[in-house]
Amino acid sequence: DQQVKQNSPSLSVQEGRISILNCDYTNSMFDYFLWYKKYPAEGPTFLISISSIKDKNEDGRFTVFLNKSAKHLSLHIVPSQPGDSAVYFCAASEDTNAGKSTFGDGTTLTVKP
Amino acid sequence: SQTIHQWPATLVQPVGSPLSLECTVEGTSNPNLYWYRQAAGRGLQLLFYSVGIGQISSEVPQNLSASRPQDRQFILSSKKLLLSDSGFYLCAWSRPRNSPLHFGNGTRLTVT
Repeated sequence: DQQVKQNSPSLSVQEGRISILNCDYTNSMFDYFLWYKKYPAEGPTFLISISSIKDKNEDGRFTVFLNKSAKHLSLHIVPSQPGDSAVYFCAASEDTNAGKSTFGDGTTLTVKP
Repeated sequence: SQTIHQWPATLVQPVGSPLSLECTVEGTSNPNLYWYRQAAGRGLQLLFYSVGIGQISSEVPQNLSASRPQDRQFILSSKKLLLSDSGFYLCAWSRPRNSPLHFGNGTRLTVT
C-alpha cells in the first residue's frame, strides 16, 4: 500500500504559466511534508517544506499548500521557467524525523519555452 | 558549507560479487545519515539510517547491510549481489528533527 501518491506521472506547462503538482497521502501520522526536485543523474535537492500545523508555505516562486482533512498537498510554481523542468518528489514523514521520509513516485514537469 | 560525496557514480557488477559503496559528509558533525534506493520510475525507498557511529537501523529486509565506522562516513555493502539489487543508490544526510535531506549524486548499480 503506497502511503504517498503522486497520481500524475507527468505535467507539461507553458513558460510563464502556473505549474501545479499534486500529492495525496494516507497515513494520518505524517506531520511534515517536503518537496524535492531532481535532475537526471543527480540526487534530489530540497525545494520547500510544510509542517502539519500550517496550511501554506511560500518561498519565492514556490508555494506549498496542505489540506490535512483531505490528506492532500500541492506545489505551485509561478511563473514557471524552463529551468524548472525536472522530476518533483513529494515526501512525508512522522515523529519529527524528516530524514525518514516516505516518497511518492514523482511527477516529471516539462516547462516549454 | 556542507558537502556530501558518494562514489562511484556508476557500477556494473556480476551476480554473486560483493559490493561496497561509500559516502562521506563534510562541514557538519554528528549528522543523521541515510541510504535510499530508487527503482526505475519509482520514488525513493529508505534502506538504512544512522543517528550515530555504529548505530544502524534497517527499514526493509534485504540483501544489503550498512555500517558507520566514523561520524561522517556511511558504507553500503553486500556479500553477494542479486539481480534485484540493481538500482540507483543515494546517500543523504540531515540534521536531527524536521530537517530536509541533502543527497549525494547517487550510484547507478547494474547487476548482470
